[in-house]
Amino acid sequence: SQTIHQWPATLVQPVGSPLSLECTVEGTSNPNLYWYRQAAGRGLQLLFYSVGIGQISSEVPQNLSASRPQDRQFILSSKKLLLSDSGFYLCAWEGNDNQPQHFGDGTRLSIL
Amino acid sequence: SQQGEEDPQALSIQEGENATMNCSYKTSINNLQWYRQNSGRGLVHLILIRSNEREKHSGRLRVTLDTSKKSSSLLITASRAADTASYFCAPQRIWGAGTKLIIKP
Repeated sequence: SQTIHQWPATLVQPVGSPLSLECTVEGTSNPNLYWYRQAAGRGLQLLFYSVGIGQISSEVPQNLSASRPQDRQFILSSKKLLLSDSGFYLCAWEGNDNQPQHFGDGTRLSIL
Repeated sequence: SQQGEEDPQALSIQEGENATMNCSYKTSINNLQWYRQNSGRGLVHLILIRSNEREKHSGRLRVTLDTSKKSSSLLITASRAADTASYFCAPQRIWGAGTKLIIKP
């Protein structure tokens, strides 16, 4: 069966520090991969999606970047975090456009 | 821009009652999905309904889709305390703010 791992679960970082969040998927090949951010009490904002290794599409201009160095690995990064980067970050995968998305447990990022 | 908009924003009912949540969207879709999110956790997929389907069931869940009105509804019958969560619709994977459902024992 397929599983998705996302870590860390919580992270507290100072303003201006770098960021690296990792997401890995097991049990499937060539998944579509997604990074979302969720503000408290709000819906999901799509940040990045990837349909293959090295293929990254960005949905919103921002302080963040994403990379897919391997088929089942998706990394969210920042060189210098801003206070506005605080939030709940979710990684998800899907088999194709007409299949459900499967989510990781999320990372709660607090910027101080 | 936001595609799915859930209504109501919050719903509080007694255990055993039915809960209905609605979703409206703006553009044409191939499918619409409903998800549940427990506080501080990832989302769990509930039902995917395709644009050529009008109704779909899964256990105590019933989803309807009206493409002419660009709307969908999620009905949870015989609600339980464990159904307390936020529910999101995602037309073409563009998310609304969700409905926060509270089931009172």
